[in-house]
Amino acid sequence: NAGVMQNPRHLVRRRGQEARLRCSPMKGHSHVYWYRQLPEEGLKFMVYLQKENIIDESGMPKERFSAEFPKEGPSILRIQQVVRGDSAAYFCASSGDRNNQPQHFGDGTRLSIL
Amino acid sequence: AQSVTQLGSHVSVSEGALVLLRCNYSSSVPPYLFWYVQYPNQGLQLLLKYTTGATLVKGINGFEAEFKKSETSFHLTKPSAHMSDAAEYFCAVSDGGGSNYKLTFGKGTLLTVNP
Repeated sequence: NAGVMQNPRHLVRRRGQEARLRCSPMKGHSHVYWYRQLPEEGLKFMVYLQKENIIDESGMPKERFSAEFPKEGPSILRIQQVVRGDSAAYFCASSGDRNNQPQHFGDGTRLSIL
Repeated sequence: AQSVTQLGSHVSVSEGALVLLRCNYSSSVPPYLFWYVQYPNQGLQLLLKYTTGATLVKGINGFEAEFKKSETSFHLTKPSAHMSDAAEYFCAVSDGGGSNYKLTFGKGTLLTVNP
């Protein structure tokens, strides 16, 4: 499968736990973007990463959220001490370079907080 | 800052009828404009995009959209709806400059196609 791969597809956590969401970009893509979709809302930009670099994290909540895209392996979106309001669908997208639209999206991770 | 307004959160058409999904945007710089489709429990799939050049853009599955700068609009149309077109459609904008990677999405329009 040459598309953007996200796992897990569904993730359930209790309040206070940590959530780790993974994203493997399309083959040959080195630019990764994370978006969050709340119910009945459009996607909201969170962060843009290249290998080992955070380029723009202007959409990330200031606390509890972090993202990385290491030299080897998938990009990780990490949410510490989850709260009910973190329940959402989290989508990852990738592109060949920042000027090479479009962004190709994965199927998302649906995060539910109990 | 940019924004997108999609008029009508839910549009219902009959199979074979014209599909028109409305999108208006706000941007302080020349925009890039996109339409994405989302099927249940899936990610977004690009239908078409406008960056520069011809203002009438043709996409996949028979969809097209026209960039009208004077009206700040990028409405999506398809002459004849098919049952398989039932999905949620998102209009998105990014600036055509240094932050063109940052997509701003509308809230989406759910398209229902009736037999």
